[in-house]
Amino acid sequence: KNEVEQSPQNLTAQEGEFITINCSYSVGISALHWLQQHPGGGIVSLFMLSSGKKKHGRLIATINIQEKHSSLHITASHPRDSAVYICAVRSPNFGNEKLTFGTGTRLTIIP
Amino acid sequence: NAGVMQNPRHLVRRRGQEARLRCSPMKGHSHVYWYRQLPEEGLKFMVYLQKENIIDESGMPKERFSAEFPKEGPSILRIQQVVRGDSAAYFCASSPSDRGPFFGPGTRLTVL
Repeated sequence: KNEVEQSPQNLTAQEGEFITINCSYSVGISALHWLQQHPGGGIVSLFMLSSGKKKHGRLIATINIQEKHSSLHITASHPRDSAVYICAVRSPNFGNEKLTFGTGTRLTIIP
Repeated sequence: NAGVMQNPRHLVRRRGQEARLRCSPMKGHSHVYWYRQLPEEGLKFMVYLQKENIIDESGMPKERFSAEFPKEGPSILRIQQVVRGDSAAYFCASSPSDRGPFFGPGTRLTVL
């Protein structure tokens, strides 16, 4: 069992829909990251969270430390949001500096 | 301030050759991480370095792989005697001491 689980693995939605991607983890963490990987392969760091909620444009990330769960939301989705979204955690269990990754959620937004 | 730079972006090697992957961290960043993404798999940690020191190499294969981050110059990930299973995207990331990593564009290694 992976320490970081994401759902769904694949998600296809129509343009304009509200998107939710979930991440659950099984260890105590010091921080959680949401990353975006585009088809060309480059990785962009979207958020780093240790508590609460962060918002950047149409993206919102939340974390519940007690439930060991985080969500990434995209409002008014657009085809350019199509990418793989990756959840990653820093944990003292793994050596606090390195990231342990989920397997990613492949999001496709249809015009 | 340029981002994390990696070169080459694409590297083709024949089995048994050596592969050298370079990573220049963002200016002022003293922490460098190497991650590997095998085809159709997630990212996996390989090694964490600070200047002239390997801090955590728990994700590095025991043989053929080595990494360094010298006082001057880029960090180098070196793979000796490459095999087909080494074909992957190798990502470098850097960070200052207390913030999340910034990723480079990756080097895609293909072993023929």
